[in-house]
Amino acid sequence: SQQGEEDPQALSIQEGENATMNCSYKTSINNLQWYRQNSGRGLVHLILIRSNEREKHSGRLRVTLDTSKKSSSLLITASRAADTASYFCATDHTGFQKLVFGTGTRLLVSP
Amino acid sequence: DADVTQTPRNRITKTGKRIMLECSQTKGHDRMYWYRQDPGLGLRLIYYSFDVKDINKGEISDGYSVSRQAQAKFSLSLESAIPNQTALYFCATAYTSGGADTQYFGPGTRLTVL
Repeated sequence: SQQGEEDPQALSIQEGENATMNCSYKTSINNLQWYRQNSGRGLVHLILIRSNEREKHSGRLRVTLDTSKKSSSLLITASRAADTASYFCATDHTGFQKLVFGTGTRLLVSP
Repeated sequence: DADVTQTPRNRITKTGKRIMLECSQTKGHDRMYWYRQDPGLGLRLIYYSFDVKDINKGEISDGYSVSRQAQAKFSLSLESAIPNQTALYFCATAYTSGGADTQYFGPGTRLTVL
């Protein structure tokens, strides 16, 4: 399976702290995306980073990509209780034209 | 109104029954997908379609079939439901920009097979 793995599986922090989650994958990619899922609801696209990019920002989100290590990280700065959700990485492997989702990180942000 | 809708939102059925899950979209996207989500396993791709005449099997297509009735409609059928098909099912659409797909998800259908 090409499915990515995310680390940690669960993360619990306080409001105001930063949250970092990691994604590793196995084969070369065209791009990597991060999605968010609130409990039992549909996924929402957060950010996309292409294989020739190393870092990307969107508001309080910062994504890095290291293709030599086949890994990515998502940093959420100054977290809020509303950031409580599951976060999934999804990889677009060159030539496959479809996304492969990781197993997700459950983030709990306490007030 | 939501751009990607799924019906029903919840369904309880019995083993052996035929079930159809429907997905409609108003985003005008050509690409549509069906996924299932199980606890601890993330999302797994069941079927996908790049246009009305294009249907492709995904990672876990056994026991499922699909129909792309129009650009806006993509239905998933379980011909004879079994308990291990109990899961949360998502439909998604996608557009390609600069060679990259971004997917838009429906709210999901929670299916329980007794």
